Amino acid sequence: QSALTQPASLSGSPGQSITISCTGTNSDVGAYNYVSWYQQHPGKAPKLMIYDVTKRPSGVSNRFSASKSGNTASLTISGLQAEDEADYYCSSYTSSYTWVFGGGTKLTVL
Amino acid sequence: QVQLQESGPGLVKPSQTLSLTCTVSGGSISSGDYFWSWFRQPPGKGLEWIGYIKYSGTTYYNPSLKSRLTISVDTSKNQFSLRLSSVTAADTAVYYCARFGYCTPTSCYPDYWGQGTLVTVSS
Repeated sequence: QSALTQPASLSGSPGQSITISCTGTNSDVGAYNYVSWYQQHPGKAPKLMIYDVTKRPSGVSNRFSASKSGNTASLTISGLQAEDEADYYCSSYTSSYTWVFGGGTKLTVL
Repeated sequence: QVQLQESGPGLVKPSQTLSLTCTVSGGSISSGDYFWSWFRQPPGKGLEWIGYIKYSGTTYYNPSLKSRLTISVDTSKNQFSLRLSSVTAADTAVYYCARFGYCTPTSCYPDYWGQGTLVTVSS
């Protein structure tokens, strides 16, 4: 059960769009439509931003969108705002009720 | 509003057993078909799912930790617990408890989290 692969860091200017990739295998991301994304601000617990690959929980801004193609999932944040600066983690169901996470992407809003 | 709170020693010696408890308030751990879960995050590193338990006692563990791990539930105290044996410095992390309560017909995701507690493994 290896961790999913994310870029360590990304940056963007306010108003821009950025996309974070999350690459797994055909045993996790590629096998199931149970990919989720979490936002974590320093010293805080993670917050669910996306579930079931593309769906947003109520209360999450529609500036956050996501998709999946093959073994790679992606999170796009449009209209970047200062408050979006955080760490982002992807996660996928693997099998037998187990879950794997990516290493995290530190997003800096310039 | 459901709240979760981790508690337990902040310092554990190598080779000993790490024990943490998560106390749930604002709702019964026995109501709803939720998974009650543990995660951890080493300082400056990423999240790791440790495992979870249903109120019935059914458990599912991260395969990489399974041989050292026990998660249990005490419905009378509205708590669930984590025990990780034979710890090393690599087990130093912030440990979070969470409820997998954001559910679709086919899956659930963590919606409520504790604030996290740092456990350091050191002699």
